[in-house]
Amino acid sequence: AQKVTQAQTEISVVEKEDVTLDCVYETRDTTYYLFWYKQPPSGELVFLIRRNSFDEQNEISGRYSWNFQKSTSSFNFTITASQVVDSAVYFCALSEGNFNKFYFGSGTKLNVKP
Amino acid sequence: DGGITQSPKYLFRKEGQNVTLSCEQNLNHDAMYWYRQDPGQGLRLIYYSQIVNDFQKGDIAEGYSVSREKKESFPLTVTSAQKNPTAFYLCASSMGTGFLDTQYFGPGTRLTVL
Repeated sequence: AQKVTQAQTEISVVEKEDVTLDCVYETRDTTYYLFWYKQPPSGELVFLIRRNSFDEQNEISGRYSWNFQKSTSSFNFTITASQVVDSAVYFCALSEGNFNKFYFGSGTKLNVKP
Repeated sequence: DGGITQSPKYLFRKEGQNVTLSCEQNLNHDAMYWYRQDPGQGLRLIYYSQIVNDFQKGDIAEGYSVSREKKESFPLTVTSAQKNPTAFYLCASSMGTGFLDTQYFGPGTRLTVL
């Protein structure tokens, strides 16, 4: 079974629209970390955020915000007023256990059109 | 500037040849990782190393080999035993290997078998 599911394979929006990328995870551990990475066309994964399982506070960083809900095992990512530069593949990842093993979702490709 | 470098950016291999992908980091991180990414898919762990002179197999180690003779270097060899090596290869590092540690990624190497 997939530990991290990103059901949206590809999303297209017009610039300035808000967009939410969904991430659902599965774990039996009580302590774990969740991550979001951005992969622009150049290929490098850029770290965006890390959230631990004990902190359900939503986080906002500029146009980016994250909604962590343990009750639904979700860690969704919203981009407000999207821009063309936001076009990329976004990956959600889960880290659990004693070793720093990451479980990646299959990614959501975001296309922001001018 | 601290970071992770991978070389070459593009690599072409003939069938039956071994090739080595370079990964170097100057972040003073203890742990290093190799991932494989196929089109439209997430990342899969090939090998990881928690400390110099030690490394462990990940989920898809068959057909690959690694070495960790220096803290800053973790080269990956794709051997002729790897039946489908065409993919994008990403190297990452983290300060340690506990689940608290964010993994930071290099720019990747795109390997194509001719």
